[in-house]
Amino acid sequence: QSALTQPRSVSGSPGQSVTISCTGTSSNVGDYNFVSWYQQHPGKAPKLMIYGVSDRPSGVPDRFSGSKSDNTASLTISGLQPEDEADYYCCSYAGTVVFGGGTKLTVL
Amino acid sequence: QITLRESGPTLVKPTQTLTLTCNFSGFSLSTSGVGVGWLRQPPGKAPEWLALIYWNDDERYNPSLKSRLTIAKDTSKNQVVLRMTNMDPVDTATYYCAHRPSPGGYDPWGQGTLVTVSS
Repeated sequence: QSALTQPRSVSGSPGQSVTISCTGTSSNVGDYNFVSWYQQHPGKAPKLMIYGVSDRPSGVPDRFSGSKSDNTASLTISGLQPEDEADYYCCSYAGTVVFGGGTKLTVL
Repeated sequence: QITLRESGPTLVKPTQTLTLTCNFSGFSLSTSGVGVGWLRQPPGKAPEWLALIYWNDDERYNPSLKSRLTIAKDTSKNQVVLRMTNMDPVDTATYYCAHRPSPGGYDPWGQGTLVTVSS
């Protein structure tokens, strides 16, 4: 049972937009802007896509955006591309670092 | 370019102590705000954060594993070492070290090293 709850899977067609939710509590999501998102392709290490709820590291396409409302953070990927197919994990680093259970994104 | 590489045993026996070394380049652990963390990921599961050490020797641990973990740094060698005692088969996972920049998040991660706990 992860501290952060994500849907197990989402899907979309190339060019479409998808949103992945991440629900926690006030102590790990709602009261702090310390949410990050990671992308992981099979057999590879996770890659940071979003930090501080909505900031993108250098080199991450602006198709990836993050937001938060109350105790739920969201990752939106617009203009889906085949290479976006991967597992996505949300993470709170407000105190103890906790991860969500992960969401598998399928690009149809 | 920041790179990190984990090294250590691939197989440990139950009750043994695991020692992993992270060698990094492209940044200094004496730079204010910077840290190096350890995380692990059991096969088919989500990552789990283990520990973090900051430039100023501040250490942070996962509360559920704190009694078993020790993290240390050697700034001159660009190394961070993690020790985990009393290993159990449930500790089988890929272990990663990662750069923790000041703004937040772990970026990048090393390639990871798979550690299997079995007799």
